[in-house]
Amino acid sequence: DIVMTQSPDSLAVSLGERATIKCKSSQSVLFRSNNKNYLAWYQQKSGQPPKLLIYWASIRESGVPDRFTGSGSGADFTLTISSLQAEDVAFYYCQQYYSTPFTFGQGTKLEIK
Amino acid sequence: QLQLQESGPGLVKPSETLSLTCTVSGGSISNSSFYWGWIRQPPGKGLEWIGNIYFVGNTEYNPSLRGRVTISVDTSKNHFSLKLDSVTATDTAIYFCAREYGATDFWGQGILVTVSS
Repeated sequence: DIVMTQSPDSLAVSLGERATIKCKSSQSVLFRSNNKNYLAWYQQKSGQPPKLLIYWASIRESGVPDRFTGSGSGADFTLTISSLQAEDVAFYYCQQYYSTPFTFGQGTKLEIK
Repeated sequence: QLQLQESGPGLVKPSETLSLTCTVSGGSISNSSFYWGWIRQPPGKGLEWIGNIYFVGNTEYNPSLRGRVTISVDTSKNHFSLKLDSVTATDTAIYFCAREYGATDFWGQGILVTVSS
C-alpha cells in the first residue's frame, strides 16, 4: 500500500495569513504516460462529508475559492491557503488514487490563531 | 445535481454482517466514466477506503478488510451496496458512499454504524 504522511498534524494560523500543509507519499504517484499526479486534497468540516478541493495535484474543483492552491509532483505535495478565512477551519486530507487500495493521509487540523 | 444517500441499520451486533445501500439520484450509476465507492471513518479518526465497483460489476477491495467485504451494484435500482462480514467493535464508523472519477468528487452524507451487543 502507498502510505500518505501529512505534516503538521495540526496548524493554527491567523486570519488573512497563509496556511501550508504538506503531504508525502511512500512512492511516486506520478503516472509517466500521462504526466499526471494521482493526488487529491479534501476539506472536511465538523459533521460533514469530505469535500473535494484539488485533484491531479493542482486542479481546483469547480466552485473552490482560488485561495486554495495545490502543488508538487512525484511524492511531495503541498496545499496552500493563501489568506485564511474563518470558514476554512476544518480537517484537510490528501489522498492518492494512483493504485488500490486508495489511501489517505492522517489529516491536518486547521484552526484560527 | 447528483446525490448519494446511504441507508441501513445503525446498530449491528458483533460477529454479524453489516449491510448498507447507497442510492444514487440525479445521475445514472451506469455512466461508464465513474466508479462507485465506500469509505469509512471511525469516530474522531481518519478516512479509510473500503473498495469500489464499476457498473458492470468489477470490484476492488482494501486487503486490510481480509476478505470480509463485498460490494455489489444493481443498475435497475440505481444503487450499490456494501456487506461487511464478521464485524467487531473496530468496524464502528461513519460509512460514506461516493462517486470516484479518479478523485472522489461526490460523497453521501454518511451513516454511523455502531457495532455493539
